[in-house]
Amino acid sequence: DAGVIQSPRHEVTEMGQEVTLRCKPISGHDYLFWYRQTMMRGLELLIYFNNNVPIDDSGMPEDRFSAKMPNASFSTLKIQPSEPRDSAVYFCASSPTGGSLTEQYFGPGTRLTVT
Amino acid sequence: GESVGLHLPTLSVQEGDNSIINCAYSNSASDYFIWYKQESGKGPQFIIDIRSNMDKRQGQRVTVLLNKTVKHLSLQIAATQPGDSAVYFCAETDSWGKLQFGAGTQVVVTP
Repeated sequence: DAGVIQSPRHEVTEMGQEVTLRCKPISGHDYLFWYRQTMMRGLELLIYFNNNVPIDDSGMPEDRFSAKMPNASFSTLKIQPSEPRDSAVYFCASSPTGGSLTEQYFGPGTRLTVT
Repeated sequence: GESVGLHLPTLSVQEGDNSIINCAYSNSASDYFIWYKQESGKGPQFIIDIRSNMDKRQGQRVTVLLNKTVKHLSLQIAATQPGDSAVYFCAETDSWGKLQFGAGTQVVVTP
């Protein structure tokens, strides 16, 4: 299995621009999670989906952030407009149903730099 | 990768020695406690978890201990190897799988 796939791996954009991060979870995993990692705040859960339906988006920082999961094999995290404080590494993770959801499989991350 | 280690506590361990990484958690109602490992430039990787009704759980070369009285979690790594160099995060969760991660500990294995 290829694991969780994220693209792009690096993104540099200017303040005010729209940014779209992409994720392909592991086939057969019903849960998908989006995290953000910074030095200041550590690793934070932004939103998670179960069977393509958003379950908890309480971690989404503000309305500039949105996430979708149109099908079981694809999810996007969009930031519009982007700001320098959004600079971070964004991780997508997936997990199969049936367990405690403690074992989540993380992708390699997208390093976002907003200038 | 992301420079998460700049301000993290660091544990320096000699190769072959045992490592003990400690974590204090906050939520007495958490159902599971988990350890993740993150190597530079990679995403976190699950190591082991323990349910709140247990005190100890062993895996391959790792042991997790849970002390609910003082809200303390530890990860013991036996015979530490160079490949164990990474940032280690403890996390806690309720049954819904919403993980709350700690700040992390940088482990450096020296030859």
